[in-house]
Amino acid sequence: EAQVTQNPRYLITVTGKKLTVTCSQNMNHEYMSWYRQDPGLGLRQIYYSMNVEVTDKGDVPEGYKVSRKEKRNFPLILESPSPNQTSLYFCASSLSYALAGDNEQYFGPGTRLTVT
Amino acid sequence: TQLLEQSPQFLSIQEGENLTVYCNSSSVFSSLQWYRQEPGEGPVLLVTVVTGGEVKKLKRLTFQFGDARKDSSLHITAAQPGDTGLYLCSGFLIQGAQKLVFGQGTRLTINP
Repeated sequence: EAQVTQNPRYLITVTGKKLTVTCSQNMNHEYMSWYRQDPGLGLRQIYYSMNVEVTDKGDVPEGYKVSRKEKRNFPLILESPSPNQTSLYFCASSLSYALAGDNEQYFGPGTRLTVT
Repeated sequence: TQLLEQSPQFLSIQEGENLTVYCNSSSVFSSLQWYRQEPGEGPVLLVTVVTGGEVKKLKRLTFQFGDARKDSSLHITAAQPGDTGLYLCSGFLIQGAQKLVFGQGTRLTINP
């Protein structure tokens, strides 16, 4: 089954304790992306990757790191989480970052993170 | 600044009524997508519109891309409780570096 998986689904942590949220896709997609979703703000892009070893900042990259060592995995790293990073996080992938056309993004189920 | 403005952000109507959700911008998009999100799940693509003026139908849902490719609408005819959810528009900006943006979302509730 074609899917994007994220782990963990729920995480409660304390300020400053490093954490990693994993993301994996089994569709051989080139493009992967991380978003955070907050009430009234919709989905905001944190980082994206057009292919292995190619990553770039989205709209809200501060406090986050990513890596793309393999095509299927795109982990999100919070080196020193803070309460303002409490949010719902989504990983997504698509075939390529094409300019137009049916470039559907497939989203993972989300990770709800609470930083106290 | 929100590059894609969705309105309304909240809408609660009775079963059987019609509704329209709007997605507006001052920027031009190469394509625009509509997603639907259920609680506890990620967004799922409903449709992509690419050509200015394009109209696509998905059963009782009608999607339109503005002639100037700056706006889009989603119209639901005879809404049903199963249409309840969060509707999101997103698009690829056509100017400068390729940039994918999302609207704030419209939370739709259809009451039986």
